[in-house]
Amino acid sequence: TQLLEQSPQFLSIQEGENLTVYCNSSSVFSSLQWYRQEPGEGPVLLVTVVTGGEVKKLKRLTFQFGDARKDSSLHITAAQPGDTGLYLCAGAKDSGATNKLIFGTGTLLAVQP
Amino acid sequence: NAGVTQTPKFQVLKTGQSMTLQCAQDMNHEYMSWYRQDPGMGLRLIHYSVGAGITDQGEVPNGYNVSRSTTEDFPLRLLSAAPSQTSVYFCASSSHYTSAKNIQYFGAGTRLSVL
Repeated sequence: TQLLEQSPQFLSIQEGENLTVYCNSSSVFSSLQWYRQEPGEGPVLLVTVVTGGEVKKLKRLTFQFGDARKDSSLHITAAQPGDTGLYLCAGAKDSGATNKLIFGTGTLLAVQP
Repeated sequence: NAGVTQTPKFQVLKTGQSMTLQCAQDMNHEYMSWYRQDPGMGLRLIHYSVGAGITDQGEVPNGYNVSRSTTEDFPLRLLSAAPSQTSVYFCASSSHYTSAKNIQYFGAGTRLSVL
């Protein structure tokens, strides 16, 4: 059962455009992470959000955790070809001893120069 | 600093063959896990371990075995490969005991084809 749905699944844009990727669930998560994966590599963590309503910025990337901690969004301003990759959200359901994550379906972003 | 190392990077098997995917980490992390990645499905958890000698099943454990005899190593065994196991496999590790709990560090993956 896939608990985290991402949209859109694919996105191809021109350099300089803005975009938003969504990560939605019917479940509540104790924290949510965003990873970026480049071809032939494993995912690399971009950010972790832990508080409902939290907003974090990483240069041109803005991450928001929903108030109810069921959803999140990633907004990229003035996209660059270097932003190309697969973006994955991942939610943690346990705040205790386990580190289990549930990954979203992924958004493949291509930024054309 | 090597981080998480997976071998081999590529593998082709025939149906029914067995093999072991190797995973080693040098960060002294307690938690290790195996995922498979298929198009449109993100990463799905196969098995995980919270420490040496302790393993548990994830979302898609059928057809796979694991063991954790040391903190560093967490091999994944395919007992009798099937075409449905064609996928990219990722190993990851993370620490229980730091403020970075839940941050998973991934290897570069093993691309497996079962014919």
